[in-house]
Parts: sequence; C-alpha cells; structure tokens
Amino acid sequence: AQSVTQLDSQVPVFEEAPVELRCNYSSSVSVYLFWYVQYPNQGLQLLLKYLSGSTLVKGINGFEAEFNKSQTSFHLRKPSVHISDTAEYFCAVSASNTGNQFYFGTGTSLTVIP
Amino acid sequence: NAGVTQTPKFQVLKTGQSMTLQCAQDMNHNSMYWYRQDPGMGLRLIYYSASEGTTDKGEVPNGYNVSRLNKREFSLRLESAAPSQTSVYFCASSDPDGRMNTEAFFGQGTRLTVV
Repeated sequence: AQSVTQLDSQVPVFEEAPVELRCNYSSSVSVYLFWYVQYPNQGLQLLLKYLSGSTLVKGINGFEAEFNKSQTSFHLRKPSVHISDTAEYFCAVSASNTGNQFYFGTGTSLTVIP
Repeated sequence: NAGVTQTPKFQVLKTGQSMTLQCAQDMNHNSMYWYRQDPGMGLRLIYYSASEGTTDKGEVPNGYNVSRLNKREFSLRLESAAPSQTSVYFCASSDPDGRMNTEAFFGQGTRLTVV
C-alpha cells in the first residue's frame, strides 16, 4: 500500500500572499499524483495531476505543483491567494503496482485571511 | 452530463438499522470506489470495484458490503449501523476507456449520522 503525508493540517495565509501546501508520498515505483480541493459540504474536485512528462504541472485556479522524484514530494503552490481559495486540499497518489487504487493524505485546511 | 450521483445526501439512522447508499456514474468508467471521510483522517477506502462483476476490500471494510450491480452502479450497504459509522461517504469512479491511473471523479457525498 502507498502512504501520503500532508505535513500541515492547517495553513492560514493573508490574501494576495503566496502559499505552499506540502505533500510527500512513499513509493519506489512509478506514481501518479493528484491534488484535489474540497469546498464546504461538497465533493472533491481535481485541481491538477501528474501522470508523466514535465515535472511542473499547472492546474485550475492558478495552482501549480512540482513532482520531485528524489524527494518523493508533490508540493502545491499558488503565487497569490484569494478569499475564494479557502477550502480543504487533499493530495492523492496512485501507483503502477496498486492497480487503480487511490491513496489520500489527511488534508490541509487553507484559510485565506482578508 | 451528471457525472457521479449519490443518494441520499443526508441520512440519520438508529443503531442497528440497515441502509443502502446508492451511486451511479454516467461516464462509462470501469472502476468505482467507496470512501469515508472523517475529521483529521482524510479519505479512507472502504471497497472498490475494478470492473463490473468484481469487488475488493479497501482499508476499512468491516461493517460494510458492496454490490457492483452493473457498469454504472455501485452500492454500499450497512447491515447493522453503529455510531462509529457516522461519517461522510463519497462514491468515486475512474479509469475511462480502460486507461489506468487517470483521476477519480467524486460524487457530492452522503452525510450519515448513526444515533
């Protein structure tokens, strides 16, 4: 089984400031990485994904993430956050040796302060 | 295009009662999943179905059963509900056209309270 660690359970940040949400995974095989966002009382929506190719991945709402194989990390970044970015963010991994199963981190609650 | 549809959205059960959570997807996906979400624990896989006619246990299957009725529908049954099963339940689907490891698409969730 895979494991996903989201190092920060809560991240407060002021509006228009940059933010980084950290994610590390455990795997020695090919992985596929995802970031999802969950707004209150809603389901999960895909922000971005890394399947192969360029290690810098751009997603919706101005978010991007960088796949770092040597550090087994997939940190999410945004250069300038908005109030509307307040939500729960989940990192997820799927690996070539685990079929089509997805493993999720425990989530990071991002709060944007006006 | 409705995506993944879950019913009901909210449910309150008494301890010992049974119920079935329904899930349907209209994206022709092969794989379907049931997760539960609890505060501070992220999403934990209960059961999944890699294809029609197959089901496998996930991380937390105890107290649950599933049925992959056809390619579109994947139901989750609680035979005798317990307060520990109070949670938000999400259904998801993935793997369009047989491609592996593409993203999962989620329903809106079912908020279940067992009293």
